[in-house]
Amino acid sequence: DAGITQSPRHKVTETGTPVTLRCHQTENHRYMYWYRQDPGHGLRLIHYSYGVKDTDKGEVSDGYSVSRSKTEDFLLTLESATSSQTSVYFCAISRLQGGSNTEAFFGQGTRLTVV
Amino acid sequence: GENVEQHPSTLSVQEGDSAVIKCTYSDSASNYFPWYKQELGKRPQLIIDIRSNVGEKKDQRIAVTLNKTAKHFSLHITETQPEDSAVYFCAAQGGGADGLTFGKGTHLIIQP
Repeated sequence: DAGITQSPRHKVTETGTPVTLRCHQTENHRYMYWYRQDPGHGLRLIHYSYGVKDTDKGEVSDGYSVSRSKTEDFLLTLESATSSQTSVYFCAISRLQGGSNTEAFFGQGTRLTVV
Repeated sequence: GENVEQHPSTLSVQEGDSAVIKCTYSDSASNYFPWYKQELGKRPQLIIDIRSNVGEKKDQRIAVTLNKTAKHFSLHITETQPEDSAVYFCAAQGGGADGLTFGKGTHLIIQP
């Protein structure tokens, strides 16, 4: 499982509340990613990080922020949760070797419900 | 940005037959094309990948082909088995740290 742990695994929250999801890795990978998965949409990139304090936006970044203060932790925050953010969230890591991407390993996922 | 189209959305085949899933991509700079299998309630897991300097790659019953000129790549599963039933996703990625762009997925059903 490439040493990736997501927490919490399940969460129900109310509209308008802030929510933070955590991704923790134990193998010192430089690149980390947050995706959301929704029926009919596949997986879509929210934000990614290429090092401590180095992050960038993905395809569906509106309403989300991220932080990476340590190599091992990548946090995803929903600043004010909305029902459209009900989804399954996956964290992933990938390794670059010689400038070429290698496989992405995914965490177990976090099922978030906004009511 | 990159756009990946995947077809079909659902594929039903008889056990023992072959299954083919096709994807097209839009960004000619993309150079890495993985395929993921996702069982219900589980995380996506890589089953095979191909890079743009290779035309075909095989791993037992699974093969992937890539046509860079036409910007399409395909997954071939031969001698399908019940445990092949799952959702399969293709993806594309350029060089560097950019994340993967996924297709919308194919639900593969293996009929006994």
